[in-house]
Amino acid sequence: NAGVTQTPKFQVLKTGQSMTLQCAQDMNHEYMSWYRQDPGMGLRLIHYSVGAGITDQGEVPNGYNVSRSTTEDFPLRLLSAAPSQTSVYFCASSEVPTYNSPLHFGNGTRLTVT
Amino acid sequence: GNSVTQMEGPVTLSEEAFLTINCTYTATGYPSLFWYVQYPGEGLQLLLKATKADDKGSNKGFEATYRKETTSFHLEKGSVQVSDSAVYFCALSDDSGGYQKVTFGTGTKLQVIP
Repeated sequence: NAGVTQTPKFQVLKTGQSMTLQCAQDMNHEYMSWYRQDPGMGLRLIHYSVGAGITDQGEVPNGYNVSRSTTEDFPLRLLSAAPSQTSVYFCASSEVPTYNSPLHFGNGTRLTVT
Repeated sequence: GNSVTQMEGPVTLSEEAFLTINCTYTATGYPSLFWYVQYPGEGLQLLLKATKADDKGSNKGFEATYRKETTSFHLEKGSVQVSDSAVYFCALSDDSGGYQKVTFGTGTKLQVIP
């Protein structure tokens, strides 16, 4: 059982470049989300989705886009990378209703923007 | 809004020592509480959870009790091992707006030395 799979593991971008971080889960979870992890700041929610075709903004959505065309996939797009987006990005999913359900995390993508 | 406060790290202990990592929270309503653990190079994984006041979550020798009167969820282990070295995150989840809103603490790094 693969769980939540993120690709790539590492990425270096130049300022202004675009890229897509991939996330896929095989647990049939309706809820999926993207977090960024920065030193001393814990995890902050970027975007989330409660099902195919439904997405919404989290705490720090600026500079990021998402879409959810299938239950399994939830890609995160950086349209024009900035050094402030240097971070470790985690995708997470859970069952619904979500209140008591733990998040299942991928192993992360470490992004550096120069 | 919701918030989670964890004790500052890093925490360094000798093998077989007693561990306490403090966690307090602020939330409206009745959140669920979680501890997640992150090993180097990996994503977060659920360690334990508690969904209502006075519940005790436990796993792998770790325990935490949901204390509503003190708004706390302290993590304890009676005898730590080198393999427990990791970053520990306290988190709360509520169902504001009908979706899972998870608030994380900033994490506490634990190093256990032989």
